Parts: sequence; C-alpha cells; structure tokens
Amino acid sequence: GNSVTQMEGPVTLSEEAFLTINCTYTATGYPSLFWYVQYPGEGLQLLLKATKADDKGSNKGFEATYRKETTSFHLEKGSVQVSDSAVYFCALKSGGSNYKLTFGKGTLLTVNP
Amino acid sequence: DTEVTQTPKHLVMGMTNKKSLKCEQHMGHRAMYWYKQKAKKPPELMFVYSYEKLSINESVPSRFSPECPNSSLLNLHLHALQPEDSALYLCASSRPRAGYYGYTFGSGTRLTVV
Repeated sequence: GNSVTQMEGPVTLSEEAFLTINCTYTATGYPSLFWYVQYPGEGLQLLLKATKADDKGSNKGFEATYRKETTSFHLEKGSVQVSDSAVYFCALKSGGSNYKLTFGKGTLLTVNP
Repeated sequence: DTEVTQTPKHLVMGMTNKKSLKCEQHMGHRAMYWYKQKAKKPPELMFVYSYEKLSINESVPSRFSPECPNSSLLNLHLHALQPEDSALYLCASSRPRAGYYGYTFGSGTRLTVV
C-alpha cells in the first residue's frame, strides 16, 4: 500500500535559518505529492504540490522537488520566519479514481526570534 | 469563493446527545470528505462522497452518520458518542482530479464529548 515517512520532529530553528524537512514515500504508479501546513488551532492549508517527476512546487518561499529516483519530496526554505511555526504534513495521492490522501505523521516546526 | 466553511467551530456534547456538524463549499467541487484528527496526529479519513454518493466509508462506527444533501453541503450526524471521539473534525473538498488540483480543507470543528 501507500505510505509516507517524514522526519521526526520537533524541529527548532532560529529566525533566518535554513529549513529542510525530509519526506520519502512508497506508492504504486505515479502519485501526486503535497505539503500541507497546519497552524495552531486551524485546519490544513495546501502549501505546495507536484504532480509528476522532476516537478518543483513552490509557495511563500518554500520549495519541494518530486524526485522519483529517490522517492522523495523534501521541503526546503532558505530563511524561516517566526510565522512559519506550524505542523507540516507531507502527503500523497496515488493515481486512479481513488480519492484517498495518505499523510505522513507530521513535523512540528518552531522558529524562535 | 475558495473556502470550505465548517460550523460550529467548537462543540461540547454529552454521550446521550445528538448533534450535527456542517460543511459547505461553493467551488463546484464534486468530492467531499470527512477527516478526524487527534492531537499531534495526522488526519484520518472517515468518509468520501463523490457526486453526492457515498464512495468510501473507512469502517467508521455507526454513531457517525454522514449525509450529502447536495453538491455544496456535507453533514456529519453524531449520536451516542464516546469520550474517545473527542477530536478535530475536518471537512475537505476537491475536484474529481484531486491528485492534480489538490484538496481544500476547512478550519475544522473541535468536538469534546463529556
């Protein structure tokens, strides 16, 4: 079956530090890959996505590249801000008519001033 | 309108109560979802409706009863819940090509069962 593995948190960084959150996946076929962000007390927001190999998703300074050879979709940001403090979920949807979204366990990021 | 709206935001109910959660979207999405999220965990899929028909039920107990009255509305009827059902309930919607366009989530209803 499908699965997503994220690096264990929590991750604590100082403002303006470089961020990497690792995500690897197992899936049949050619899945679509997503990063969702959940701020405290809120629902999930789509941060970025990639639908095929070598696609780069980007939004709000965050980037992730769909690497089929390493089955990875690592999230990066060059300079984090305090407002980036949140839980980040990597997720995949496999092809076909199945609507299921498979999530990783989530990574809590705390950015200190 | 690019939002999924959930009401109420907070709900406290006794184990003998009957209550309903509501979800609404006006993006023309034809798939709608209910997820349950416990603290410090990822969301867990409960139900999927596709074109107003129940497509997936992830073996959810019958005390949770979904309903999709039309293409914009999704309800979750609650009856005789247990304290362990306390969680954040998230609604989401998507176009049929969910893998290409992604899923839009609401802000959730935080449910406490006492």
